[in-house]
Amino acid sequence: QVQLQESGPGLVRPSETLSLNCTVSGASVSSGSSYWGWIRQSPEKHLEWIGNIFYSGGAIYNPSLKSRVTISGDLSKNHFSLSLNSVTAADTAIYYCVRVETTYGGVVLFDYWGQGALVTVSS
Amino acid sequence: IQMTQSPSSLSASVGDSVTITCRASQDIGAYLSWYQQKPGKAPKLLIYDVSKLQGGVPSRFSGSGSGTDFTLAISGLQSEDFATYFCQQSYGPPVYTFGQGTKLEIK
Repeated sequence: QVQLQESGPGLVRPSETLSLNCTVSGASVSSGSSYWGWIRQSPEKHLEWIGNIFYSGGAIYNPSLKSRVTISGDLSKNHFSLSLNSVTAADTAIYYCVRVETTYGGVVLFDYWGQGALVTVSS
Repeated sequence: IQMTQSPSSLSASVGDSVTITCRASQDIGAYLSWYQQKPGKAPKLLIYDVSKLQGGVPSRFSGSGSGTDFTLAISGLQSEDFATYFCQQSYGPPVYTFGQGTKLEIK
């Protein structure tokens, strides 16, 4: 059973950097069969894809966040991380780490989710 | 690519059948998935490739459509089905976008 667990500060000051970790169990982050990613949900319940990381270490990002975001992986610890700099109140959200799968038909889906980590941006 | 769901909310009774619509701003072929989210929980994958049920999802859920118009149908609503449903497209990397959600409430 694949499980993901987010961890990190729940409060970040404006202009600082949001950092979250996702620990994976039941699967290997370094496996070539899966990708891993981050999705956030605003207080208004809108879901926004942030980015994915590949087993090779490469990553793709939502263009709206690309200038501020980095997703990286630590294969030895079987976890991956999210870093979002220069945060504002608009970055307040629940942040989910997810496993990303691609079907034979090319559909990209998110089949396992962490429980979510609420991050509030406030001074 | 923008995804627009309708209705935004829906009231129904146990045993009813309901339909939720998701419209894409451009042709996305069959690159569509559906998720269910209950309060305080993470979204759960229900359907992918428009109509394929994720493992463990009851057969009362079904999906259809292609191009720009898609439908999630639930027949014989059960109490555990009252939740918020989201569609998601994966045709348009580098951005995978979600609909705004449809909240299904008990009448």
